[in-house]
Formats: sequence, structure tokens, C-alpha cells
Amino acid sequence: AQSVTQLDSQVPVFEEAPVELRCNYSSSVSVYLFWYVQYPNQGLQLLLKYLSGSTLVKGINGFEAEFNKSQTSFHLRKPSVHISDTAEYFCAVSPTSYDKVIFGPGTSLSVIP
Amino acid sequence: EAGVAQSPRYKIIEKRQSVAFWCNPISGHATLYWYQQILGQGPKLLIQFQNNGVVDDSQLPKDRFSAERLKGVDSTLKIQPAKLEDSAVYLCASSSGLGTGAQNTQYFGPGTRLTVL
Repeated sequence: AQSVTQLDSQVPVFEEAPVELRCNYSSSVSVYLFWYVQYPNQGLQLLLKYLSGSTLVKGINGFEAEFNKSQTSFHLRKPSVHISDTAEYFCAVSPTSYDKVIFGPGTSLSVIP
Repeated sequence: EAGVAQSPRYKIIEKRQSVAFWCNPISGHATLYWYQQILGQGPKLLIQFQNNGVVDDSQLPKDRFSAERLKGVDSTLKIQPAKLEDSAVYLCASSSGLGTGAQNTQYFGPGTRLTVL
């Protein structure tokens, strides 16, 4: 079975400061990794995904994430956040062998003006 | 391209009542998912359809929840009777087909927020 841990339930950060949202996963099989964003009263939107190849993945809105297999981590980063980045961020994993996505509990990012 | 549509957006009912949610996926998407998102948690898969067949319903509480996708297009999720713990946002998502590679990104609807009193 797979599981996802997001260590920080809430992350406040000042506007234009850098941010890192942490994600660790557990799996006995190979997985794909995802980050989704959920703005208030909206559905989830895919930010980026790691399937294979380069461990540094770039996504939309200036976000990037790095896959670290030895540490089973997939942390999300942005060098300079904006007010509009205030949202809930979900890390997710999916076994490569079948179609099922397991979501973490989410991290609430609040950008302070 | 139109996104995933869901209705209603909000629903308030009393416990033991029944409720139904509707989802219309992106045109041409074969796979449809229903998720339950309880406040403060990530989405949990309830049921997954491939066309009009069920692929995975292992986490669907079948004593009170049911779902159908009769013509392989839109879908309905029903709860009967509702319990207080069913209060959550119910998300529908669709994707082009089986597998989780680049061709199978899940696209989510805005969700239906259910409050059970």
C-alpha cells in the first residue's frame, strides 16, 4: 500500500519570500508523484508531476519539485510567492502499475502581504 | 474545452435523508472518478468507472452509497440514508483512459459541498 505524509498542515509566508512544502511518501512499488493545488471553493488542479527522468520537475505558476528516491520525498518549492498562491496544496502518489491516486492530507499555504 | 461539471454546488440535508450528486466529465474522457474530501483531509477515492464499468469501488460504503454511469458519460452518486459523517465535499474527476502516465491526467470538477445536519 502507498501513503503520503505532508508534515506541515499550515505554512504562512510573506509575499515575495521563498517557500518549500514538504512531502514524503511510502510505497513498496514504483510510483508516480504529483502536486495538486486547490483554490478556495474550487476543484483540484495539477501543478506538476514526476513520471521518470530528471528528478527536478517544473510546473505551472513558477513551482518546481524535486524527487529524492533515497529520502522518498517530493518537496515543492517556489522562489518568490504571490498573494494569489494562497491555497491548499496536495501531494499525491500513484503506483506505476495501475491507476489509483493516493492524496496526502494537504498543506494550507497562506501568503501574507 | 469545457471542464468537468458538477451539480449542485451546495446541498444541506438532515440525517437519514437521501441526496444525489451529478457529474458530467470532459467530453471523450473514458474514466470517471468520485472522491470524498472531508474537511482538513485529502480526497479519498470512492469509486472509479472505465466507460460504464466499475474499476474500483473498494472504498465505497455500499450500504448507503451507490453510483452509476449508465451510458458511459455522465454519472450520479447517491447517498441513502445520509449520516452526519457524510458531510464533505464530493469531487468528480475524469481522465482520458487507464494508466497514470502523461496521457492520463485527472481533471477535477468544482465539487459539491454536502452538509448533513
